[in-house]
Amino acid sequence: GAGVSQSPSNKVTEKGKDVELRCDPISGHTALYWYRQSLGQGLEFLIYFQGNSAPDKSGLPSDRFSAERTGGSVSTLTIQRTQQEDSAVYLCASSLLGLEKLFFGSGTQLSVL
Amino acid sequence: GQQLNQSPQSMFIQEGEDVSMNCTSSSIFNTWLWYKQEPGEGPVLLIALYKAGELTSNGRLTAQFGITRKDSFLNISASIPSDVGIYFCAGEITSGTYKYIFGTGTRLKVLA
Repeated sequence: GAGVSQSPSNKVTEKGKDVELRCDPISGHTALYWYRQSLGQGLEFLIYFQGNSAPDKSGLPSDRFSAERTGGSVSTLTIQRTQQEDSAVYLCASSLLGLEKLFFGSGTQLSVL
Repeated sequence: GQQLNQSPQSMFIQEGEDVSMNCTSSSIFNTWLWYKQEPGEGPVLLIALYKAGELTSNGRLTAQFGITRKDSFLNISASIPSDVGIYFCAGEITSGTYKYIFGTGTRLKVLA
């Protein structure tokens, strides 16, 4: 597609369940980012993939959070044993290596009941 | 997680007024970026700044990279209703890492 695609756009889950959020970056973009935006808050960095390098996971809030990027393209963010405080919009972005312009998807609104 | 501090947190202004917002950090940044987020969408890049003191314009928007490299401001002149949204600053802490942290955001509402 022409832009960054995220799915699902909305996800409602029960506390304790696992969820998977998907991101399809712009074709050819080597860098992929996950951010979390809580209600009324800024964007919190979670994880960054760059090419075949080891991802920068320094922003993941707990070991319940993990992410992978298969084949240097699609990425999945997994949250295990969800908690109510995980409720937020999860934004994915991609960019070409060496360029600062991040292209964001529309996000996945996660609600944990 | 680490974030930049933006002020004001929110603004209500009349159409036609000028707007000013700023971003500060305790850390030095090598690149400052300003993004705008509209409801239900991801942020979109408005302006990128690359060196201390740099002043850059994009239409009615003007942004500056502070001399100390720890701050930046964004001005919007003659605001219009479509300027409504959340404005975020972002910075790359270490040059070449392409790891960006974002500010807490300034919510702008324009009254016609």
